[in-house]
Amino acid sequence: DGGITQSPKYLFRKEGQNVTLSCEQNLNHDAMYWYRQDPGQGLRLIYYSQIVNDFQKGDIAEGYSVSREKKESFPLTVTSAQKNPTAFYLCASSTAGQGRSDYGYTFGSGTRLTVV
Amino acid sequence: GQQLNQSPQSMFIQEGEDVSMNCTSSSIFNTWLWYKQDPGEGPVLLIALYKAGELTSNGRLTAQFGITRKDSFLNISASIPSDVGIYFCAGLENAGGTSYGKLTFGQGTILTVHP
Repeated sequence: DGGITQSPKYLFRKEGQNVTLSCEQNLNHDAMYWYRQDPGQGLRLIYYSQIVNDFQKGDIAEGYSVSREKKESFPLTVTSAQKNPTAFYLCASSTAGQGRSDYGYTFGSGTRLTVV
Repeated sequence: GQQLNQSPQSMFIQEGEDVSMNCTSSSIFNTWLWYKQDPGEGPVLLIALYKAGELTSNGRLTAQFGITRKDSFLNISASIPSDVGIYFCAGLENAGGTSYGKLTFGQGTILTVHP
């Protein structure tokens, strides 16, 4: 079945370390996104990519980096510059249809990152 | 960036009751989406709205895209225990007529249903 796979489900990081969260999709979606979720808040956009080898900053990109070398993969690196990285991270992908009614925006199951 | 105000923040209801939640925006969106999130999981799309004034149903769920394109509501009728979760509205900024782009999310409504 097609879908988005995020790994790992839980991740613990020591302060000062970089960590990379994996996101893979087999939906043949062109666009991929990373969101951060904190308790009591909506999802906030970190980075997004609409095509391979291209990506744009979202609303809270500081302290994060991404790459899009393959259509299927959009890994997120949480760097040591991110001052408050403990959160639930969600990856999503969407189709690039032209005004299609069957709009698709699918989320993975998330990675919970905790700084210890 | 754009902001969505979603209300209420939380609801505690009895099984069988109807539920209503809404979102308002300071700016216009081309598409409104409603998602449900179970604990520890990613949001799942419930209803998508593409035209101002559109009223769409999905089982016990009904959602409407406001005429001004700055608001939307979601109703759940005859709630059941499995309706428990966080409900998010989201507005989509389309670019150039394409159906993908950045989603802006509301803060979420936490729904608790007592049997």
